[in-house]
Amino acid sequence: LAKTTQPISMDSYEGQEVNITCSHNNIATNDYITWYQQFPSQGPRFIIQGYKTKVTNEVASLFIPADRKSSTLSLPRVSLSDTAVYYCLVGVSGNTGGFKTIFGAGTRLFVKA
Amino acid sequence: GAVVSQHPSRVICKSGTSVKIECRSLDFQATTMFWYRQFPKQSLMLMATSNEGSKATYEQGVEKDKFLINHASLTLSTLTVTSAHPEDSSFYICSARDRWSGSYNEQFFGPGTRLTVL
Repeated sequence: LAKTTQPISMDSYEGQEVNITCSHNNIATNDYITWYQQFPSQGPRFIIQGYKTKVTNEVASLFIPADRKSSTLSLPRVSLSDTAVYYCLVGVSGNTGGFKTIFGAGTRLFVKA
Repeated sequence: GAVVSQHPSRVICKSGTSVKIECRSLDFQATTMFWYRQFPKQSLMLMATSNEGSKATYEQGVEKDKFLINHASLTLSTLTVTSAHPEDSSFYICSARDRWSGSYNEQFFGPGTRLTVL
């Protein structure tokens, strides 16, 4: 089973770039890497997804090395509103032959003024 | 697009009663929906995978007779917490996968339902 490991928490200041790295040593060939953001008492919100190399959208970048055993979510110029929990997910084969998603502990990012 | 709704957003009930939570995909069809439970300051714990037209698949340790899941249509899955007790108080979140999505990791999450059992 693909398992993810992330730092439990990170602190940053407004305007800084934040990089959160996730380890997924047992990632399968057809697994994508997906990052979600969650605010308290809300459902997770999709941030970005990638398979290899680099992916960029309007809110973040995702860097994936060639061996795909880790990935790094990069948040440019964070603001106070980016304080949240960030989860890195990879697919897990389910017992019915399909796929399910298992959440790791996530990284609590706290952005200070 | 890709909006998932949950109803109710919060519910308070007495111990021993049953509570039904609805999860709807509003603008896409979902053959697969997932139900999660989240306790304060903890991660989401997958409870079960709900498949349209077939029985749900429960994770180890989740009582299927206590958490009844029905996925009768491509846009609706329901979770019924039967004979709820205070320890069932939690934040319940559903997610849905677009049946036409090429990525099985692309899920759309509902806003969650806060259940409080007195």
